[in-house]
Amino acid sequence: GAVVSQHPSRVICKSGTSVKIECRSLDFQATTMFWYRQFPKQSLMLMATSNEGSKATYEQGVEKDKFLINHASLTLSTLTVTSAHPEDSSFYICSARDPQLAKNIQYFGAGTRLSVL
Amino acid sequence: DQQVKQNSPSLSVQEGRISILNCDYTNSMFDYFLWYKKYPAEGPTFLISISSIKDKNEDGRFTVFLNKSAKHLSLHIVPSQPGDSAVYFCAAKSRGGGADGLTFGKGTHLIIQP
Repeated sequence: GAVVSQHPSRVICKSGTSVKIECRSLDFQATTMFWYRQFPKQSLMLMATSNEGSKATYEQGVEKDKFLINHASLTLSTLTVTSAHPEDSSFYICSARDPQLAKNIQYFGAGTRLSVL
Repeated sequence: DQQVKQNSPSLSVQEGRISILNCDYTNSMFDYFLWYKKYPAEGPTFLISISSIKDKNEDGRFTVFLNKSAKHLSLHIVPSQPGDSAVYFCAAKSRGGGADGLTFGKGTHLIIQP
C-alpha cells in the first residue's frame, strides 16, 4: 500500500515553455500532498504543500505564480513550472500522506528530472 | 541554514557488520524523525521513524536512536547486507502549526562491501 506515482520521470524542454508534472496516489486518497525540489548535492527542499480543494501553501522564497499547484482530486496533484528557464532545471519530487496509516509518514514518488535548455 | 545535518556524505561497511548512520538537527521544534532509503532513479522509501517522546525504535535489522539533549539521532543496521547499499536520508517534522513538510539532510551514501 501507499504507492505514489509521478509522471513524467524526465522532461527536457526549451526555455520559456511550461511543464506539467503529475503526482498520483494509487491505492489511497491523499488530502495533502507535498512538492519538493533537489539541486545537485543538496537535500530535498520543500516547495509547497498541496491541499485538496484549496490553495496550496508555498514555502518562503518559492514563487507561486511560477510553480502552479493544482490538487483537484483526492488522488492527483499537479505542479506546473511556468515559463521554465535553465535555472529551474532540477529534480522535482512529490509525496503524499495516507490518512489510514501513520500521519507523519510521507510516501514519495520517483521524481521528475527537469532539464531546461 | 541546514537544520538537519548528515555530516558523512558516504560510509563503507563490510557485509555482516553494523552500519551506523548519524544525523544532527538544530531546530528544537522538531518532534518526529524519519529515515528514508533511496536507490538511484527511484523515490525515497520510508524505512523507520521515531517520535521525540521516545529514545529508541526498532524494526527488524533497523534501529533508530534519538538523543534529544544532544539533538542527535542515528540509524543502526545490523547485520548489513548488500541490498542495504543506497543513499539514506534523515528527515524531521516540526510540531503543530500545520507545518507538515519534512526537512531533509543531504543524505549519506552507504556502501556495503562483500
